[in-house]
Amino acid sequence: AQSVTQLGSHVSVSEGALVLLRCNYSSSVPPYLFWYVQYPNQGLQLLLKYTSAATLVKGINGFEAEFKKSETSFHLTKPSAHMSDAAEYFCAVTPSGSARQLTFGSGTQLTVLP
Amino acid sequence: ETGVTQSPTHLIKTRGQQVTLRCSSQSGHNTVSWYQQALGQGPQFIFQYYREEENGRGNFPPRFSGLQFPNYSSELNVNALELDDSALYLCASSFNTGELFFGEGSRLTVL
Repeated sequence: AQSVTQLGSHVSVSEGALVLLRCNYSSSVPPYLFWYVQYPNQGLQLLLKYTSAATLVKGINGFEAEFKKSETSFHLTKPSAHMSDAAEYFCAVTPSGSARQLTFGSGTQLTVLP
Repeated sequence: ETGVTQSPTHLIKTRGQQVTLRCSSQSGHNTVSWYQQALGQGPQFIFQYYREEENGRGNFPPRFSGLQFPNYSSELNVNALELDDSALYLCASSFNTGELFFGEGSRLTVL
């Protein structure tokens, strides 16, 4: 079984500041991990994914995440926040080898302050 | 290349009614998954269809059912609607077990 915990349902940062969104996972098998972004009234867009290759994964819009097996974490970061980054972010996990059934966290709403 | 499209975008039903939601998968994709996203929560996996057969199911009752057609489009049917069924229903398509591409969802309100 897999599960995901996203610490902090709401995160606020100033424009230009570091963005750090936390995700911890639990999985009985090697996982694939994903970060998705959801803008208001829209579906989910894939930011990046970890599929057992490099542990530091770079995604779109300047985001990256590092898979740390010892900490069971997959935190999302961006060096400098932009107003357009304001959205809801979801971490998700699935057993490796398949994107068949994603288990999502409860989401983190990111607010970017001017 | 056409992305995943869902219809209707919004609908309102009353308790006990039945609803059908539709999804057209992205060109070249053969697998469709459905997720339910209640307000303020992350999406929850309902089921997945591959080559017209159910290929995995989450913790949802049998009144949630689906179909996949030969052109890989799909329907989600929910019978005997309950207030808690109010949610955004997301469809995602993929090629085999590859990356999921999500549609913008159908927002269902049950009164």
